[in-house]
Amino acid sequence: EIVLTQSPGTLSVSPGERVTLSCRASQSLSRTYLAWYQQKPGQAPRLLMYGGSTRATGIPDRFSGSGSGTDFTLTISRLEPEDFALYYCQQYSPSPPWTFGQGTKVEV
Amino acid sequence: QLQLQESGSGLVKPSQTLSLTCAVSGDSMNGGGYTWNWIRQPPGKDLEWIGQIYQSGSTYYNPSLTRRVTISIDKSKNQFSLELTSVTTADTAVYYCTRGVTTWGQGILVTVTS
Repeated sequence: EIVLTQSPGTLSVSPGERVTLSCRASQSLSRTYLAWYQQKPGQAPRLLMYGGSTRATGIPDRFSGSGSGTDFTLTISRLEPEDFALYYCQQYSPSPPWTFGQGTKVEV
Repeated sequence: QLQLQESGSGLVKPSQTLSLTCAVSGDSMNGGGYTWNWIRQPPGKDLEWIGQIYQSGSTYYNPSLTRRVTISIDKSKNQFSLELTSVTTADTAVYYCTRGVTTWGQGILVTVTS
């Protein structure tokens, strides 16, 4: 099972700042099978990125994903007020089980 | 537009079986080679993948749940289902169904309580 570790656990930032979230895998993972989600209270996770660096439909271009091997990053270039939320990474390898990171909370 | 909708009992007694169905609309489950997944999230906790099924009926389960989980598919009704046996309070969670990673249902809260 691939364990994903996200850091930091909580990020305190201000609107307009650049934010970088980290997701580290316990073993090498193809970027093809790495996704990022945003979740707000009481809502289902919203897909932001898949394939490591491809934005999902309707996701603004201030969100970007990068990385390879065991280290992956989600960057928000300029934080908007609606971006304060919980962020999860997920690996969806063709060889299950799929796993999620423990999340990073982006707060004011 | 593809939509997924979970349904089932929101209250289950300990030791009983949790049963949920995910109705798929906007596309047929007969093609595409997609995975149809169940994922859960206990209140205030992280997401946990439960398992998946292909249109062929092939299934893969989370090793931590495999003894208690069954996922099935009914392509004639365009839906797939989850059964989780011998539930405990630790199984209280919001349960989501998904197609791959792109499309999620809104989730259904299942509470295990006597």
